Amino acid sequence: VQLVESGGGLVQPGGSLRLSCAASGFTFTTYGLNWVRQAPGKGLEWIAYMSGSRTTINYADSVMGRFTVSRDNAKNSLDLQMNSLRVEDTAVYYCARVVFNAESSGFYPYYFDYWGQGTLVSVSS
Amino acid sequence: DIQLTQSPSFLSASVGDRVTITCRASQAIRSYLAWYQQKPGTAPKLLIYAASSLQRGVPSRFSGSGSGTEFTLTISSLQPEDFATYYCQHLNSYPLITFGQGTRLDIK
Repeated sequence: VQLVESGGGLVQPGGSLRLSCAASGFTFTTYGLNWVRQAPGKGLEWIAYMSGSRTTINYADSVMGRFTVSRDNAKNSLDLQMNSLRVEDTAVYYCARVVFNAESSGFYPYYFDYWGQGTLVSVSS
Repeated sequence: DIQLTQSPSFLSASVGDRVTITCRASQAIRSYLAWYQQKPGTAPKLLIYAASSLQRGVPSRFSGSGSGTEFTLTISSLQPEDFATYYCQHLNSYPLITFGQGTRLDIK
């Protein structure tokens, strides 16, 4: 299993950037994928999720309305379109695969088992 | 929203020590709690899931326990490669996934 992020860089406040996560080594459509970020010297913050079937999408409040997650199941790729970027969006962005647990009441996220190496996004004027 | 608070935030210990890190939830949660280890400049690595299940390939000196609002990660005998930052993660308030603020474990 391998997840490789790309697309990071320096952007001005208010600008846009598109990140990609290339996946390999597993059946892509079987797994949901997440974006998690880490500001310099800070902790981990989950920001977005998309299911393997693309039917379920969730966002953290901090990025809702500004970021859009998508995936191309033919190319085994997960993307994050980031608009209206703020200084506080500066962080390393990771994609991470989630494993679900099946209960009688449904499927629930269990843990993140594989992570990419991350890509750095810097928002500064 | 459920908040996770780890204690301590910083911990200094010696090789061979037994250390325990606590993760407290702001309300009772099911045991959909995971622990990760992160070393500088690298991605987090899964250690424990479902509060007490050891991820494949993780040394048995790592263990997890707890229920309700209090969970712990224990390293039975610290090794040099264990000095890192540790995070707990709660996944059952889905669709929101929460991380604790982290515990940095340094060499004494």
